Order: sequence, then structure tokens, then C-alpha cells
Amino acid sequence: KAGVTQTPRYLIKTRGQQVTLSCSPISGHRSVSWYQQTPGQGLQFLFEYFSETQRNKGNFPGRFSGRQFSNSRSEMNVSTLELGDSALYLCASSLLGGNTGELFFGEGSRLTVL
Amino acid sequence: GDSVTQMEGPVTLSEEAFLTINCTYTATGYPSLFWYVQYPGEGLQLLLKATKADDKGSNKGFEATYRKETTSFHLEKGSVQVSDSAVYFCALSPGAGGTSYGKLTFGQGTILTVHP
Repeated sequence: KAGVTQTPRYLIKTRGQQVTLSCSPISGHRSVSWYQQTPGQGLQFLFEYFSETQRNKGNFPGRFSGRQFSNSRSEMNVSTLELGDSALYLCASSLLGGNTGELFFGEGSRLTVL
Repeated sequence: GDSVTQMEGPVTLSEEAFLTINCTYTATGYPSLFWYVQYPGEGLQLLLKATKADDKGSNKGFEATYRKETTSFHLEKGSVQVSDSAVYFCALSPGAGGTSYGKLTFGQGTILTVHP
């Protein structure tokens, strides 16, 4: 069974640009979560989607947004990029996104903002 | 709010040494506890989990026991291998009945390097 797939794996942008990252969850998983990983702040939760609805949101500015499609694939968008947005963005999927189950992570999209 | 604190790293060991990585947490109610591992260039993988007090999670020779009285979930392995070199993250979720969908609270991670 294929794992969580994230694209692109690496990308470089300049300040002020915007970026869209894509995540395909494990087949049958309906919950997709996004995390930002940086050396300074560690792993921080961005948001979670289930059946095309955002059910949970972390403490990030409105420049960070996401959506989920009917096939459970998800995208996240960061507008007006800042240097501090350089990070590894991880997507995770689970069957229902509940509180006791395992999250399955992709390999991440590494964003560098110059 | 919920928080997870891991021991300061990095940790460097020789092959076959004993490993302990300390993890303590702050949470209300009855959280579920996890250890995730991240190998170089990869995403996180679940190593083990425990969902109630006194549960012991185990996998690949690693163990951790959910201690509610000390709010701890320390990771141990009796004999580490070079292939265990990775970053280890302790994490919690609110547990059954909570509404924090998809959100895990992670510790800062501990880098483990094992030398032959």
C-alpha cells in the first residue's frame, strides 16, 4: 500500500512569493494534517482536514491556508513568503484523525525562502 | 496547554550500549503517548504508543511505559545498533473523547548517534 506522498520534495522561493504544496494521503485515509518543522521551533501543527472541512487549526497567521479535495488529497498554500517560512513541511494522514490513532507521515516538502 | 519535554540532546552511544531518552508531559485528562522516529531525509514513523496509564508500548527492541504518577514516558532500549541513529520525538494527543483532530504535541526531539 502506497504511503503518504508529498510534492514537490524541494523548492526555493523568494520573499513575497507564494507557494503551494501537495499531499496525497494513504488510500482510504480521510484525515490529513499539516506540520511545520524547523530547527528552532520543532514540529508545529498547522491544520487538519477531514472530508473537505477544516476541523482543527494551529496558531499560524492567515498567510498559511489549506484545502482538501473530495479524493482526500490536500494542498497547503503560503502567501507572501517570509524568510522565517523556510522549513520542512510535513503532511500526515490517518483514517479518522482521532486522538488515539497513529499518524502516517510523508517525507516532507523542504521550502527555502531567499 | 499541553506540552512535552524531552531530555537535552544529542546523545552519542557505542553499539550495544543501553539507551534511555527521558520524556515528561503536561496535559489534562488522559492523553495518549507516542514515540516517533525520524531517519535522515525521511518523515516521521511511529515507533510505539501507549493509550492508558501503566501501558507499555514496545517495538524493535524499544520500550516505554506510560507513568501517570510521574507524567513520564521514557524510551529505553537494551542494546542499540548503528541503524538506530535517528531523531526521536516524544508526542501526545488528548486521547479518546478529545477534539484536537490530527494534532500531536511534540517534544523538541533528541538526536541519537550510535558509533560502531
